[in-house]
Amino acid sequence: NAGVMQNPRHLVRRRGQEARLRCSPMKGHSHVYWYRQLPEEGLKFMVYLQKENIIDESGMPKERFSAEFPKEGPSILRIQQVVRGDSAAYFCASSPLPGHTSGNTIYFGEGSWLTVV
Amino acid sequence: GESVGLHLPTLSVQEGDNSIINCAYSNSASDYFIWYKQESGKGPQFIIDIRSNMDKRQGQRVTVLLNKTVKHLSLQIAATQPGDSAVYFCAETLNQAGTALIFGKGTTLSVSS
Repeated sequence: NAGVMQNPRHLVRRRGQEARLRCSPMKGHSHVYWYRQLPEEGLKFMVYLQKENIIDESGMPKERFSAEFPKEGPSILRIQQVVRGDSAAYFCASSPLPGHTSGNTIYFGEGSWLTVV
Repeated sequence: GESVGLHLPTLSVQEGDNSIINCAYSNSASDYFIWYKQESGKGPQFIIDIRSNMDKRQGQRVTVLLNKTVKHLSLQIAATQPGDSAVYFCAETLNQAGTALIFGKGTTLSVSS
């Protein structure tokens, strides 16, 4: 039973390019969360999605960042026109039920490390 | 906004000792708390959780204590092993569907043999 799969694990982009990060949730999970982790920091919530719907994007920067979770295929976090400050680890998590509640364990992927040069 | 903080950024212990990692939270409305372990280059791994209607919860070698009066959370690891070396994060949230986790900055636990 595969866990949350993220790819690429490491991505290097030049300033101004686009970065696309993919997340395949655990089998049977239809709730996906994206978190960002800056060096030496804790994780910061970005967005919560269900299939074909964005439920909570309160942590997403207003510009350049977007996320989707289509009916078929992985969830994608897209960063346009990347800047050096976007360099971070981006983690995806999934759960079978909505939200972070007791009894609904959230499983994290291994992360995608974005470096902007 | 409010956030979860940790008392110490690093903690060094000897193998076999008990470890205590502390966390202070500031959002009095938070009612669900989780401890995660993160090894270098990996994602957070769930360790144990606790709801606000409990003061203590035990797992295998780990115990979480919650003191709502002073808004303090701690993780106790018994008989610490080298494999326990990692960064430990506490996280808080409202026990409601769709509410984001708020993570603290983390405590790095180093276990020497």
